[in-house]
Amino acid sequence: GDSVTQMEGPVTLSEEAFLTINCTYTATGYPSLFWYVQYPGEGLQLLLKATKADDKGSNKGFEATYRKETTSFHLEKGSVQVSDSAVYFCALNTDKLIFGTGTRLQVFP
Amino acid sequence: NAGVTQTPKFRVLKTGQSMTLLCAQDMNHEYMYWYRQDPGMGLRLIHYSVGEGTTAKGEVPDGYNVSRLKKQNFLLGLESAAPSQTSVYFCASSYADGQAVFISNQPQHFGDGTRLSIL
Repeated sequence: GDSVTQMEGPVTLSEEAFLTINCTYTATGYPSLFWYVQYPGEGLQLLLKATKADDKGSNKGFEATYRKETTSFHLEKGSVQVSDSAVYFCALNTDKLIFGTGTRLQVFP
Repeated sequence: NAGVTQTPKFRVLKTGQSMTLLCAQDMNHEYMYWYRQDPGMGLRLIHYSVGEGTTAKGEVPDGYNVSRLKKQNFLLGLESAAPSQTSVYFCASSYADGQAVFISNQPQHFGDGTRLSIL
């Protein structure tokens, strides 16, 4: 069945470091791909999305490119801030929204 | 601008008790969803609704019932609570994407969650 695999966390970085959170997927058909972010004590918020191969989603300095050949949608940011500390979920949407298990990011000053 | 509001935020139940979680959205969204979030398992869909008066089962529907009597409200009921239902529950809503798919491709807007403990 369809599934999403994310790198396990926590990912611990210093402020201004480069961030990559890996996400790969298995799906039949042509899913849309999403990154959601969950700040402490809150629900999930959409961070960015891509609906077809080679699309790049971007928002708040984060980027992810839909790579059909490698079935990946890795999240990147060039310079993280303390305020980026949160749990990040990769998700795909075919006939339902399937979430990865989440990756906790901790950024220290 | 409230968005998606969940009530209550916390609740402790004893095994066998029943309760209802309320979700309300003020964005005029057609679709609404209930998820549970458990450590190491991401979010799993319990039930969803594509419109007023309609509901459907998701990935983990057993032990739960839902109702969508009004477009803005989506209720999740636990008939006889069990310790395995201890979890954080999230409600979400979205616009329909106009392509007649069961689950919208539009972004989902989430509430802040309800933390439920069953003793």
